[in-house]
Amino acid sequence: NAGVMQNPRHLVRRRGQEARLRCSPMKGHSHVYWYRQLPEEGLKFMVYLQKENIIDESGMPKERFSAEFPKEGPSILRIQQVVRGDSAAYFCASSPTGTTVMSEYFGPGTRLTVT
Amino acid sequence: AQSVTQLDSQVPVFEEAPVELRCNYSSSVSVYLFWYVQYPNQGLQLLLKYLSGSTLVKGINGFEAEFNKSQTSFHLRKPSVHISDTAEYFCAVIGTGGFKTIFGAGTRLFVKA
Repeated sequence: NAGVMQNPRHLVRRRGQEARLRCSPMKGHSHVYWYRQLPEEGLKFMVYLQKENIIDESGMPKERFSAEFPKEGPSILRIQQVVRGDSAAYFCASSPTGTTVMSEYFGPGTRLTVT
Repeated sequence: AQSVTQLDSQVPVFEEAPVELRCNYSSSVSVYLFWYVQYPNQGLQLLLKYLSGSTLVKGINGFEAEFNKSQTSFHLRKPSVHISDTAEYFCAVIGTGGFKTIFGAGTRLFVKA
């Protein structure tokens, strides 16, 4: 049973480009959570999605960031017109339901570097 | 809302010595508590979690933690560390009925030979 998968593991973008980060939840999991880890900091919640629905996006920056979790395929975190401050590690986690014991299922992360 | 404070940003310790990484939390509701380890350029690995029951929780790699409700603490301990335990350790909480994991800023454990 494969765990949570994220790709790419490393992504380099120039300022102004778009970044697309993908998260494939564990099999049977329909809830996805995205977190961001800035250098030298802990993880910060960004958004919680169920299939085709955004449940809570209170941690998402108001501009340039969007997330989706379509009926088919992985969840996508999209960052438009990236800036240097977007350089961070982005982690996703999944759970079978919206239970609070989901925290053991984190993906390996995507490390975004904006040059 | 919840918050987590990890009291030490860095903890240097000699190999085979005991170690304690401190974590305090605040919450207006009951919480679940977690410790994660993150090796350089890797994702999070769950060390242990407290959901209910016995306040002494044993995890992987010889780590254990004790939930102290009156002190609102969840300190992580290991009686004898190895070089391979060098990593970043994160304490985290979720309020019961919630879904956002709130992380501490992390403690960097550095084990010296």
